[in-house]
Amino acid sequence: AQTVTQSQPEMSVQEAETVTLSCTYDTSESNYYLFWYKQPPSRQMILVIRQEAYKQQNATENRFSVNFQKAAKSFSLKISDSQLGDTAMYFCAFMDGAQGGSEKLVFGKGTKLTVNP
Amino acid sequence: NAGVTQTPKFQVLKTGQSMTLQCAQDMNHNSMYWYRQDPGMGLRLIYYSASEGTTDKGEVPNGYNVSRLNKREFSLRLESAAPSQTSVYFCASTGTGYRETQYFGPGTRLLVL
Repeated sequence: AQTVTQSQPEMSVQEAETVTLSCTYDTSESNYYLFWYKQPPSRQMILVIRQEAYKQQNATENRFSVNFQKAAKSFSLKISDSQLGDTAMYFCAFMDGAQGGSEKLVFGKGTKLTVNP
Repeated sequence: NAGVTQTPKFQVLKTGQSMTLQCAQDMNHNSMYWYRQDPGMGLRLIYYSASEGTTDKGEVPNGYNVSRLNKREFSLRLESAAPSQTSVYFCASTGTGYRETQYFGPGTRLLVL
């Protein structure tokens, strides 16, 4: 079974600075997808960024980018120019690409990020 | 489009009571999912439905049943609630374009006394 590990339960950063959240995963599959979800105090789960394992290029979405190291099974999230609205729980998630139509997600336990003014 | 909707938003039950959590999506998605979120545990899959008429167990199915009523609706039933089922429950669905992207509902907070 796949597992996802987020080793930083809590992190804090000053507004406008850069922060990196760590995620490692364990799988024997070669075809899979990785995600970062944001959960603000409203509890809504919001997709931040996704990465296909077959793509070597790291995904980016505006101020959010990932460092995908396939051999090391590492998938970190970098948030540049942090904003107060980035304060949230961040979850790393794994999806096996060969599930035959049932795209189940396996989540890490989350990192609580606080952006300080 | 409303996306994924869940009812109720919050519910208090006594041990042994039953209830059904409702979920509906208006995006014509095939697959739907129920997760629970506990403090320090992330989200864990309870049940999922890959298509209308099919359901399968996830990681933590004990104490729950599900019904895929039609393509839009996927309900989660607690037959005899226990305090260990106090949690936040999320419904999600997956589209036919980017099949891998799950869209989540706003969650139902359940307290079992």
